[in-house]
Amino acid sequence: AQKVTQAQTEISVVEKEDVTLDCVYETRDTTYYLFWYKQPPSGELVFLIRRNSFDEQNEISGRYSWNFQKSTSSFNFTITASQVVDSAVYFCALEMWEGKLIFGQGTELSVKP
Amino acid sequence: GAVVSQHPSRVICKSGTSVKIECRSLDFQATTMFWYRQFPKKSLMLMATSNEGSKATYEQGVEKDKFLINHASLTLSTLTVTSAHPEDSSFYICSARDQEDEAFFGQGTRLTVV
Repeated sequence: AQKVTQAQTEISVVEKEDVTLDCVYETRDTTYYLFWYKQPPSGELVFLIRRNSFDEQNEISGRYSWNFQKSTSSFNFTITASQVVDSAVYFCALEMWEGKLIFGQGTELSVKP
Repeated sequence: GAVVSQHPSRVICKSGTSVKIECRSLDFQATTMFWYRQFPKKSLMLMATSNEGSKATYEQGVEKDKFLINHASLTLSTLTVTSAHPEDSSFYICSARDQEDEAFFGQGTRLTVV
């Protein structure tokens, strides 16, 4: 079965703290893509990253970094020095071979000044 | 990146009426589009896969007669919520795949049925 689990429903941090959002997935496919999206209160989905299952290198983009561990089926997302503008709901997603996305439950991040 | 335009962004309709939501790929052709639904404070759930020139494929539990999908061209898919009721109030969002199989999301449509 294909499944994405984001165990953290809500996280609250104070500005400038680092925060890690966890994502664990299940799939029987050998080739797949993993995603992270940000959903601010306005509702649109903001694409953050797409990662191929064959590429286990960690990625850093500014204050964002991603740790992909195939051995533990995890694709965690870290925000360094969080800012109030980072407050949003973050979704991890798994792409099935037909192109459909399976989303995790989402983690609502609240960054307080 | 590619742009997907979804219209309208917000709609309020009376119970019993039908509402049409459009999803357009502005700068690429999309043979496949997807429609998702999101209840408040919940995740996004796939409703159906829209294929240009053929019938949509609906996920289990989604009423095809309730949620009519038409993908008449390579740049446009429409979702019509027929005989809408308050329980249909939700956030609907589409995505379109380009030729490199990358998916791009529309801005979403917040439907409120009163």
